[in-house]
Amino acid sequence: AQSVTQLDSQVPVFEEAPVELRCNYSSSVSVYLFWYVQYPNQGLQLLLKYLSGSTLVKGINGFEAEFNKSQTSFHLRKPSVHISDTAEYFCAVTSRNSGNTPLVFGKGTRLSVIA
Amino acid sequence: DVKVTQSSRYLVKRTGEKVFLECVQDMDHENMFWYRQDPGLGLRLIYFSYDVKMKEKGDIPEGYSVSREKKERFSLILESASTNQTSMYLCRAGGASYGYTFGSGTRLTVV
Repeated sequence: AQSVTQLDSQVPVFEEAPVELRCNYSSSVSVYLFWYVQYPNQGLQLLLKYLSGSTLVKGINGFEAEFNKSQTSFHLRKPSVHISDTAEYFCAVTSRNSGNTPLVFGKGTRLSVIA
Repeated sequence: DVKVTQSSRYLVKRTGEKVFLECVQDMDHENMFWYRQDPGLGLRLIYFSYDVKMKEKGDIPEGYSVSREKKERFSLILESASTNQTSMYLCRAGGASYGYTFGSGTRLTVV
C-alpha cells in the first residue's frame, strides 16, 4: 500500500517569491507520482506527472517537480508565484505495477499568495 | 481533451432521501472512481470500477453504493442521505498515461 504526506497544510508566500510545496511518499513498489491543483469550488486539474525518464518534470503554469527516489520525495516548485496561483495543491501516488491501482492522495497544501 | 462530466455542481437534499450522483466520461476508459473531499482530510476513495458491472470498495464505502451499467457512466448512490455525507464529491476516470481526469465536482449538502 502507498501513502502520501504533504508536510505543510498551509503555505503563505508573497507575490513573485519562489515557493516549494513538499510531498513525501511511502511505497514498497515502484510508483507514478502526480501533482494536482484545485481552485475554489472546482474539481482537480493535473499540474504534472512523473511516470518514467527524467526526474525533473515540468508542468503547466510554470510549475515543476523533482522525483527523488532515495528521499522518497516529489516536491513541487515555482520560481515566481502569482496571485492566481492561490489554490489547494494535492500530491498523489499510485503503483507502477498495476495500471488499475487507485490514486492515493495527500491531505493537501493550501497556497496563499499575498500581494 | 478528455472530459469527465458530473451532472450537478450543487445539490441540497433532505435527510433520508435517496441521492444519485452521476458521472460521465468520454474517453472510453475502463477505470472510474468516486472520492469525497472534506477539509483537512484530503480526498478519500469511496468506490471504483474497472469495467462495466463491476465495482470495488474503496476506503470509505459505508453508506454508499454504485452502479456501472455502461462503460461511460458511473453513478454514486446514497441510499438514505445523512448529514455526515455533506461533502464535495469528485469523480475521476482514466489511467496513468492520461493523468487521471477529474470532473468539476458536486457539492452536496444534506439538511
